[in-house]
Amino acid sequence: EAQVTQNPRYLITVTGKKLTVTCSQNMNHEYMSWYRQDPGLGLRQIYYSMNVEVTDKGDVPEGYKVSRKEKRNFPLILESPSPNQTSLYFCASRPTGRFYEQYFGPGTRLTVT
Amino acid sequence: GDSVTQMEGPVTLSEEAFLTINCTYTATGYPSLFWYVQYPGEGLQLLLKATKADDKGSNKGFEATYRKETTSFHLEKGSVQVSDSAVYFCALPHSGGGADGLTFGKGTHLIIQP
Repeated sequence: EAQVTQNPRYLITVTGKKLTVTCSQNMNHEYMSWYRQDPGLGLRQIYYSMNVEVTDKGDVPEGYKVSRKEKRNFPLILESPSPNQTSLYFCASRPTGRFYEQYFGPGTRLTVT
Repeated sequence: GDSVTQMEGPVTLSEEAFLTINCTYTATGYPSLFWYVQYPGEGLQLLLKATKADDKGSNKGFEATYRKETTSFHLEKGSVQVSDSAVYFCALPHSGGGADGLTFGKGTHLIIQP
């Protein structure tokens, strides 16, 4: 089954404790993105990647890092989480040339206390 | 920059009612337009799209027509069901530079009561 998986689905952590949210897709897509979803703000793109070792900032990259060492994986790293990063996070991937056909993961709900 | 505006809701309707969710956009030129749907506890999925002006996208009984004169892409359904309860997002492609991905509206929460 074609899918985007994220782990963990739920995470509660404390300020300053480094964490990683994993994302993996099995569709051989080149493009992958991370979004955060907040009430009243909708979805905003954090980072995106057009291929292995090629990443770039989205609209709200501050406080986040990403890496793309393999085509299928695109982890999101919070080196020093803060409460304003409490949010619902989505990973997405898409096939080359079909920029609208985004496949989203199920989401990771992160709470930073 | 490009942006999307849609009613946030919640919009509450009875089963079999007619649905309209408004979406207007601000963009340079005539970008493709999309509606995504997010069911409870799930990620977003593409519902329908229109790639040029006057196109009509349709899927699962939903329709939306790309109207460049009014820069709108309103979502409609003639008879909603309880299973249509979800959050609906209007979107257009990121613009400029090498940006990838979509710019989303804030989402409209739709609640259908039996």
